[in-house]
Amino acid sequence: NAGVTQTPKFQVLKTGQSMTLQCAQDMNHNSMYWYRQDPGMGLRLIYYSASEGTTDKGEVPNGYNVSRLNKREFSLRLESAAPSQTSVYFCASRTPGYTGELFFGEGSRLTVL
Amino acid sequence: GQQVMQIPQYQHVQEGEDFTTYCNSSTTLSNIQWYKQRPGGHPVFLIQLVKSGEVKKQKRLTFQFGEAKKNSSLHITATQTTDVGTYFCAGTSGAGSYQLTFGKGTKLSVIP
Repeated sequence: NAGVTQTPKFQVLKTGQSMTLQCAQDMNHNSMYWYRQDPGMGLRLIYYSASEGTTDKGEVPNGYNVSRLNKREFSLRLESAAPSQTSVYFCASRTPGYTGELFFGEGSRLTVL
Repeated sequence: GQQVMQIPQYQHVQEGEDFTTYCNSSTTLSNIQWYKQRPGGHPVFLIQLVKSGEVKKQKRLTFQFGEAKKNSSLHITATQTTDVGTYFCAGTSGAGSYQLTFGKGTKLSVIP
C-alpha cells in the first residue's frame, strides 16, 4: 500500500501563476486534510474534507481552493500564487471517526518567486 | 478560534538526559494526539489521549492528558539520538469536530 501520495514533490512558480497539488490515498479513509508548514509556525490547517462531497475551511484558507474529487482524491488549488504561499504542503487522510489518527503524505515543497 | 500552544520551541539535551514538551489549549479538548516529525520527513502519529487525567507509555515516552483536558505533556526518559525531531501535539475541541489543530511543535536536538 502506498498510503497517501502527493504530487508534485517540488514546484517553483512565479507570482500570479496557478497550480494544483494532487493528493490520493488508498486506505479507504473518509476524511482528508491539507496543511501547510512554515518554519516556526507548525502545521496550519488550510481545508479539510470530513467525507466525500464535503469540504470545510480551516485556519488559513485564503488564497486556496479544494476539490474532493472522490473518496480517494483531495486536491488543493492555488489560483494566483503569492510569495506568502511559499511553504511545504502536507496532505493527510484520517482513520474513521473524529478521533482518528492522521496519515501524512511526504509533502510538496512549493516556492513562489 | 481554537489555539494550541506548545513549549518550548527548541530543546537541546545531552544524550541520556530527559526531555519534556508541554501543550496547552485555549479550549477544552475532546482528545489530543501527538506526532513526531524527523528532519526532512513528514509527521507520524505517536499516540492519542482521550480521557481526563489519562497517562500512556510507549517504552521511554510518557504521555499525559490533564484533568481539565486543556493541557498535555510528552516526557522522554534518557534521550537517544534516534529521538531527534520535532514533536507536535494536535487537539480537537467540540464533540464531532473533524478540525485538528496543531501546536507549533518542539524541536529536539540530542547531543551525543
